[in-house]
Amino acid sequence: SAVISQKPSRDICQRGTSLTIQCQVDSQVTMMFWYRQQPGQSLTLIATANQGSEATYESGFVIDKFPISRPNLTFSTLTVSNMSPEDSSIYLCSVGVAGGPRETQYFGPGTRLLVL
Amino acid sequence: DAKTTQPNSMESNEEEPVHLPCNHSTISGTDYIHWYRQLPSQGPEYVIHGLTSNVNNRMASLAIAEDRKSSTLILHRATLRDAAVYYCILRRGGSNYKLTFGKGTLLTVNP
Repeated sequence: SAVISQKPSRDICQRGTSLTIQCQVDSQVTMMFWYRQQPGQSLTLIATANQGSEATYESGFVIDKFPISRPNLTFSTLTVSNMSPEDSSIYLCSVGVAGGPRETQYFGPGTRLLVL
Repeated sequence: DAKTTQPNSMESNEEEPVHLPCNHSTISGTDYIHWYRQLPSQGPEYVIHGLTSNVNNRMASLAIAEDRKSSTLILHRATLRDAAVYYCILRRGGSNYKLTFGKGTLLTVNP
């Protein structure tokens, strides 16, 4: 298993500003992902954070809006840039544990973002 | 990714079994059936997964139809802590763990 922490747990931001969310895992993992969960909705994958290379973004998400860093196998950041009220969501980090027999993902507690 | 269909919501009484259905008629031979659940104000957590045979673990059982076009997550004795959104997800074997979430089933457990 993996224990994942996210910072901040919640924030209220003004439109036009940017927020960087941190994700820390207690063990080295191969795969890290960032999801968005808009109010009352299911989770949508934003991107796969690749260690040592650029993130792989899903359709509808771009690097300029959601730049991602992954400097090592235990840490990643997601920045929400030039925010608007439509960016108000829960942002979740998840990991896939290499060699895990269940091939499962473990999720962090999420960062609750409100943009005014 | 192949699509899954689940009821929007279900209700159960505490201490009774719950059967959560999932249809996946376009499943391919290498798709694993995964179930995750999301408790209120938390990130999703893994429940169970299977390929062809029924599976049991400490949290639940997974019954897979012989043609694999449907499956059922079984909670043997529902508790109030089982109230959550349950997601049935198909994941291609050998893929990079990527999960595509549908809308899931909101399970309400009555005391």
